[in-house]
Amino acid sequence: TQLLEQSPQFLSIQEGENLTVYCNSSSVFSSLQWYRQEPGEGPVLLVTVVTGGEVKKLKRLTFQFGDARKDSSLHITAAQPGDTGLYLCAGGKMNYGGSQGNLIFGKGTKLSVKP
Amino acid sequence: NAGVTQTPKFRILKIGQSMTLQCAQDMNHNYMYWYRQDPGMGLKLIYYSVGAGITDKGEVPNGYNVSRSTTEDFPLRLELAAPSQTSVYFCASSYSTGVAYNSPLHFGNGTRLTVT
Repeated sequence: TQLLEQSPQFLSIQEGENLTVYCNSSSVFSSLQWYRQEPGEGPVLLVTVVTGGEVKKLKRLTFQFGDARKDSSLHITAAQPGDTGLYLCAGGKMNYGGSQGNLIFGKGTKLSVKP
Repeated sequence: NAGVTQTPKFRILKIGQSMTLQCAQDMNHNYMYWYRQDPGMGLKLIYYSVGAGITDKGEVPNGYNVSRSTTEDFPLRLELAAPSQTSVYFCASSYSTGVAYNSPLHFGNGTRLTVT
């Protein structure tokens, strides 16, 4: 059972275009994190959202947490080739993978921005 | 800062062989994790540890073992390698529980394992 659905799975766009990546679930999460992963490297945290309806901006990236804390979106304005990578969302879920609770990762969106 | 260091970067095993994937962190983090990443499948939690001497199973622990004798090191052991264990393995650490909003995961650069 995939608790976190990311869409689209693949996205290829031209430099300067805008895009939105979605992370959806039927479950409520205590927090939602977005990571970016480049080939041959581990994921690196971009942002954490905690409060329902929260919006955070990181330069050209805008992150939103759904009001019910079940979904999130990442919007990139004027994409650049440096934005190329795998974008992963991860939800904090108690009782997942042990009583401590752990992060559940989506399958990721592979973004390619062509010059 | 080194952060999370994983060795080796690549390894090819024959079916039935065993090996240990090494992971070390220098951030004095209590929590450490092992994930596997298969193409198009995201990251799956194998095992995690909340401190030296304490380990617990994640979502996909079968075929693996871990130990945590020090805060810094968290090795992952494969006893009888199988083709289904072909994957990229990531070790990560965090200051507190991964569900805490202020405790992001810090990942190593992975070990790419092929079992043939």
